[in-house]
Amino acid sequence: DAGITQSPRHKVTETGTPVTLRCHQTENHRYMYWYRQDPGHGLRLIHYSYGVKDTDKGEVSDGYSVSRSKTEDFLLTLESATSSQTSVYFCATNRGGNTEAFFGQGTRLTVV
Amino acid sequence: TQLLEQSPQFLSIQEGENLTVYCNSSSVFSSLQWYRQEPGEGPVLLVTVVTGGEVKKLKRLTFQFGDARKDSSLHITAAQPGDTGLYLCAGERTDKLIFGTGTRLQVFP
Repeated sequence: DAGITQSPRHKVTETGTPVTLRCHQTENHRYMYWYRQDPGHGLRLIHYSYGVKDTDKGEVSDGYSVSRSKTEDFLLTLESATSSQTSVYFCATNRGGNTEAFFGQGTRLTVV
Repeated sequence: TQLLEQSPQFLSIQEGENLTVYCNSSSVFSSLQWYRQEPGEGPVLLVTVVTGGEVKKLKRLTFQFGDARKDSSLHITAAQPGDTGLYLCAGERTDKLIFGTGTRLQVFP
C-alpha cells in the first residue's frame, strides 16, 4: 500500500479560525493534490503541487492556501474557516503523466 | 459545471442486473481513469484507458474510451452486492488530475 497519511482524521473547528491539514507521503511522488468531497460533486480539486515549492490552484481554491516545503509534506490551510468548508478532504499523490493516484484516508472537517 | 460529468448520479439495482455508467466531457483527454471508492476510504484505481476506442475488461467490468477521447463508459455485467460503491472517472489536464461528479451504485441481494 502507498504510504499516504493525513492528519488529523477528524476535526471540529469554529467559524473564523484558521485550520491546517497535513498530508505526508513516503512514496517520493512528484505530484500531490488536495481535494474536497461533497455529495453530488465527486472530488473537486482545491490545489495541487508539481514539486517542492511549486503549487497551483485547482477548481475550488478560494479560501484555501497550500505549502510544500519538502517532497513528502503538503499542507492545506483554511485561512478563516467557514461553514461552507465543512467537507471531507482527501490528499492524493502520483508520479504524474496519467499514472495511478494514491489517496490518504481522508479528513472529516466540520466548521460550526 | 465540472469538467467531467458522470451519469447517472445514483443507481440502485438488484443483484444480477447489468448497468452502464457514463463519463462525459467537452474536452479531449490523453487518457481517462476509473476509480472505485468505498465508505470511509480513499478511491482506488480500477483501470486506465489511453487510446481512443480502447476497450478494457476487468472480470465483469468493461471500460471503453470514446473514439474522440472525450468520454468513457463503465459497464458492469451481472452486478453483485460487492460492486456497491462510488465510481469516479478522472482525467489529467495540464498537470491537474480532475475527477468526475461520481456515480453511487447500490446493488441489493
